[in-house]
Amino acid sequence: DVQLVESGGGLVKPGGSLRLSCAASGFTFSSYTMNWVRQAPGKGLEWVSSISSGSSYIYYADSVKGRFAVSRDNADNSLFLQMNSLRAEDTAVYYCATPRGGMVTAAFDSWGQGTRVTVSS
Amino acid sequence: DIVMTQSPDSLAVSLGERATINCKSSQSVLSSSNNENYLAWYQQKPGQPPKLLIYWASTRESGVPDRFSGSGSGTDFTLTISNLQAEDVAVYYCQEYYSSPPKYSFGQGTKLEIK
Repeated sequence: DVQLVESGGGLVKPGGSLRLSCAASGFTFSSYTMNWVRQAPGKGLEWVSSISSGSSYIYYADSVKGRFAVSRDNADNSLFLQMNSLRAEDTAVYYCATPRGGMVTAAFDSWGQGTRVTVSS
Repeated sequence: DIVMTQSPDSLAVSLGERATINCKSSQSVLSSSNNENYLAWYQQKPGQPPKLLIYWASTRESGVPDRFSGSGSGTDFTLTISNLQAEDVAVYYCQEYYSSPPKYSFGQGTKLEIK
C-alpha cells in the first residue's frame, strides 16, 4: 500500500524558515511526480508545488513562488519543501500527494495525513 | 489560470435522498487529443486528508461506492450522491488537472450535511 508520512511542521515566526519532509513507501517513488497541497484552517485546498520524477520539472503556485523550494531524494524515497520568508497566510496543514500513475496530468489518488505549519509571532 | 467554482457552498439532504453538487470551470478542461475531461472530485471528512472519488470527470476510483457518480463535460460538471448515507457527510471538492504548466486548481468546496 502507498504510504506518505509528512513531518517537519511546527510554530515559526513571520520571516522564518521551515523544511517539510514526506517519506514515501509502497510504490516506485523515483518514477512518480510528487505534489504538495496545503489547507489553511477552515479553508479549502490549495496546490503548492509539483516536482517531476527526475526533478527536471518543478512548478509552484504564484503564492509561494520565490519563497518555497521543492526537492526530492529518490535514493531515500523522500520529498521536501523548504519554506522561507514565511508569512501568516502560509499557516496551514501541508499534505504530500501522488498523482494516479505518477503522471503530471492526473488526479491525486494518495495523500499523507499532513503536517501543520503555524506562522505567528 | 482556470478558476473552479462550486455550487452550492453547502447543502443539507435527507438520508436516502440524492445530493447534487455542481462545479464550473472558467475554461474548458476537455482535451481534444484524448477526449477526456481533466476533472476530479474529492471527499474530505473532518481531520482527514482528501480522498479521491472520481477522475476523468466520471470514472469512479477503486473502492468508491457506486452511489457516487460524476458527469459533465467541457466547463460544467456534477457530482451526484444517490441514497445519501450518514457517512457521506463531508466537504466535497472539484479539481482541474488540465492546466499546463500545472496549477491543479480546486473549487472552494461544498459542505454536505444531513437534513
